[in-house]
Amino acid sequence: GENVEQHPSTLSVQEGDSAVIKCTYSDSASNYFPWYKQELGKRPQLIIDIRSNVGEKKDQRIAVTLNKTAKHFSLHITETQPEDSAVYFCAASMKGGKLIFGQGTELSVKP
Amino acid sequence: GAGVSQSPRYKVAKRGQDVALRCDPISGHVSLFWYQQALGQGPEFLTYFQNEAQLDKSGLPSDRFFAERPEGSVSTLKIQRTQQEDSAVYLCASSLKRWGSSTDTQYFGPGTRLTVL
Repeated sequence: GENVEQHPSTLSVQEGDSAVIKCTYSDSASNYFPWYKQELGKRPQLIIDIRSNVGEKKDQRIAVTLNKTAKHFSLHITETQPEDSAVYFCAASMKGGKLIFGQGTELSVKP
Repeated sequence: GAGVSQSPRYKVAKRGQDVALRCDPISGHVSLFWYQQALGQGPEFLTYFQNEAQLDKSGLPSDRFFAERPEGSVSTLKIQRTQQEDSAVYLCASSLKRWGSSTDTQYFGPGTRLTVL
């Protein structure tokens, strides 16, 4: 069935280091892959997304890569800062536009 | 401009009560989604509207859950005879485009945290 697996579930890094979160999806028809950041008690906020016609997208310290053959996509955050600490969710689009989310990664950036 | 808003932000219900959760999407957004987020989990799809038409309700967990969007703008998610397992955050999201455009950005509201005692 429709499934998105996300790893790791928790990630702790030192300020200034890089963080990588990986996701795999099951539906080969998925063509849109957003990443959301959710702080405690707040709404999910889109930080970056990628569509299936590109393999990589960058926005300042954040980048996403997509491998459609392997059905993998990853989030890369460079030069991490304490304010990057939050829960990050990957998602894959399904028929009609509904999103299937991963289980989330709790990122902790230690000063 | 104003983002997606939801009310109430918090709702406590006794088991067996009915509740109604409201979503105000971004003005002009055609598509509206409801998701359920259990503690420590990712959001899970419940149902989808394009304007006033409910095109997908495959994620609704039981017939106690009902959603409507009668004028194609504000939506209400109703849960009848609430049970403890209904406790979760209910998120609403809207996007600009129509059903079938599966690459359109979804903007989320702050959610309603439902606690069923």
